[in-house]
Amino acid sequence: DVKVTQSSRYLVKRTGEKVFLECVQDMDHENMFWYRQDPGLGLRLIYFSYDVKMKEKGDIPEGYSVSREKKERFSLILESASTNQTSMYLCASSSPRGVRAYEQYFGPGTRLTVT
Amino acid sequence: AQTVTQSQPEMSVQEAETVTLSCTYDTSESDYYLFWYKQPPSRQMILVIRQEAYKQQNATENRFSVNFQKAAKSFSLKISDSQLGDAAMYFCAFITQGGSEKLVFGKGMKLTVNP
Repeated sequence: DVKVTQSSRYLVKRTGEKVFLECVQDMDHENMFWYRQDPGLGLRLIYFSYDVKMKEKGDIPEGYSVSREKKERFSLILESASTNQTSMYLCASSSPRGVRAYEQYFGPGTRLTVT
Repeated sequence: AQTVTQSQPEMSVQEAETVTLSCTYDTSESDYYLFWYKQPPSRQMILVIRQEAYKQQNATENRFSVNFQKAAKSFSLKISDSQLGDAAMYFCAFITQGGSEKLVFGKGMKLTVNP
């Protein structure tokens, strides 16, 4: 089974802190994604990566950056956390190949609260 | 722009009955994949079912089946013999083949199953 893990289920940070959210997948997937999920807004893509050291902005990249130094790990960085970044953050991975091409596998999510 | 619309934000169904969740999408592409994802309360998002646009036959996975109408750009999910464990948020999504590898998600709908 594909496993996508996220470093924390719950996180509380103060305004202005630098926040790191980490995601690891064990299926050798090329693609990895970071979403935020808010009630009534669905899932919104923050950033995605289709290869090591490669990244592309999603729909709402402002205030976030990402890092992908190894294929299995994709980090989301909030350089200076703000209260409007309080949200559920979901990581996902996928491959463009094979019978399960494009299926995204999700981590359990990190609920981040910025106070 | 590519969009997914889930017009019913909430639905309820009696245990053991059948319910249909609606989804429409908009794309000018002809090759794409469609998905339904399920997110139970406080639990991980998981794939329910997928449909390749080039396949005329509707996909089925146990109690879950789809009604894919390509010309109408409609992709509804039917849940038969509803169970309490089917209560969740359901998200419809699609991705175009050879595109940007990004899933386009609907805003989701909440399904309640009444005992």
